[in-house]
Amino acid sequence: AQTVTQSQPEMSVQEAETVTLSCTYDTSESDYYLFWYKQPPSGQMILVIRQEAYKQQNATENRFSVNFQKAAKSFSLKISDSQLGDAAMYFCAYRRYAGNKLTFGGGTRVLVKP
Amino acid sequence: DVKVTQSSRYLVKRTGEKVFLECVQDMDHENMFWYRQDPGLGLRLIYFSYDVKMKEKGDIPEGYSVSREKKERFSLILESASTNQTSMYLCASSLEGYEQYFGPGTRLTVT
Repeated sequence: AQTVTQSQPEMSVQEAETVTLSCTYDTSESDYYLFWYKQPPSGQMILVIRQEAYKQQNATENRFSVNFQKAAKSFSLKISDSQLGDAAMYFCAYRRYAGNKLTFGGGTRVLVKP
Repeated sequence: DVKVTQSSRYLVKRTGEKVFLECVQDMDHENMFWYRQDPGLGLRLIYFSYDVKMKEKGDIPEGYSVSREKKERFSLILESASTNQTSMYLCASSLEGYEQYFGPGTRLTVT
């Protein structure tokens, strides 16, 4: 069974600075997807970024980028130029290539200090 | 825009009550999901439906059942609510092989 681990329960960052969230996963599959979801205080889960395992290039979405290390089974999220609106829970998730089920990590709370 | 709605944001029920959580999506997605979210544990899949009247158990189905009579609606049922089912419940939907869209969640308290 696949597992996803987020080792940082909480991270704090100064506004305009950069923060990196860690995620490791365990799988025997070679093709899969990895995701970062954001959950603000409202509770609505929002997809931040997606990475296909067969792609070597790291995904980027505006101020959000990932560092995908397939051999190390590591998938970190970097938030650049942090804004107050980035304060939220962030979840790393895994999905098999030919599947629909998501496996989530325990989450990391990001606090942004003005 | 995809919209996934859940019948209640907050719900308080008593131990032993039968509880229905409703989820509706408006994008004709064939897949629908129910998750439970607890601090430190992330989201865990309870049940998954890939078509009307079709369902599949997730990682923590014990104490729950589901119903999907129409494509747009997926219900989670707690036959006899217990205090350890106090949690946040999230519904999601997706097209086959595509990203999941989530509802706003229902925070259920069982006393």
